[in-house]
Amino acid sequence: SAVISQKPSRDICQRGTSLTIQCQVDSQVTMMFWYRQQPGQSLTLIATANQGSEATYESGFVIDKFPISRPNLTFSTLTVSNMSPEDSSIYLCSVIGQGKETQYFGPGTRLLVL
Amino acid sequence: GQNIDQPTEMTATEGAIVQINCTYQTSGFNGLFWYQQHAGEAPTFLSYNVLDGLEEKGRFSSFLSRSKGYSYLLLKELQMKDSASYLCAARNTDKLIFGTGTRLQVFP
Repeated sequence: SAVISQKPSRDICQRGTSLTIQCQVDSQVTMMFWYRQQPGQSLTLIATANQGSEATYESGFVIDKFPISRPNLTFSTLTVSNMSPEDSSIYLCSVIGQGKETQYFGPGTRLLVL
Repeated sequence: GQNIDQPTEMTATEGAIVQINCTYQTSGFNGLFWYQQHAGEAPTFLSYNVLDGLEEKGRFSSFLSRSKGYSYLLLKELQMKDSASYLCAARNTDKLIFGTGTRLQVFP
C-alpha cells in the first residue's frame, strides 16, 4: 500500500491569507487527487493533480482559488487562496494504488480560518 | 447525473451483524469502494468491488450488483471499535464520488 504524508497536519489562518498544503507519497503513482471534507460532511473531489500539466478541476472549484502543482509522480501541493471561514475544512490528498483496485487517503490537513 | 445514497445513521449491538446499503447512479462506473472513517481521522480503505458478487475479507464483506446499482457492506461479530462512519464511493472513470456516509454506533 502507498504511504501518504501531508504537511501541515493542521493550521489556523486569518481571513484573506493563503495556505499551501503538501502531499508526499512513498512511491510513484499515476493518479493523485485532492478532496475536501467540510465539518460533518462527506468527501468532495476538488481536482485531479496531473503531472506535467494543469490540474483538472471539478464543478464549483477553480484554479484561481485552489492552485495545484504536481512536479513529479510522488509530490503535489494544493494552495487555498484568499481564505474565508467557509474554507474551514479537512483537505485530503488521495492516490490510486497499483492495479487500480485500491485508493488511499493521506492523513488530512485540518484548516480553520478565522 | 451522479447520485450515491446510503442511510445516515445506524445502531447495532456488540456481537451482532449489520448491513449498510448503498445505491448509486453514475456514468462511467468503474468500481464500488467502501471506507471506514473514525472521527477526526482520514478514511481507511475497506473493500473494492467491480464485478457482481460478494467479496469476503475477515469480519467484513462487500456485495455488488451492477444491474441494480446496489452495494452493501456487511459487518459481522461487531465490536465497539467498529463504531465509525462508513463511506460508500462509486468510481466514475478514475474519480471517486462519495455518498454522505453512514454513522454506525455499536452499543454493548
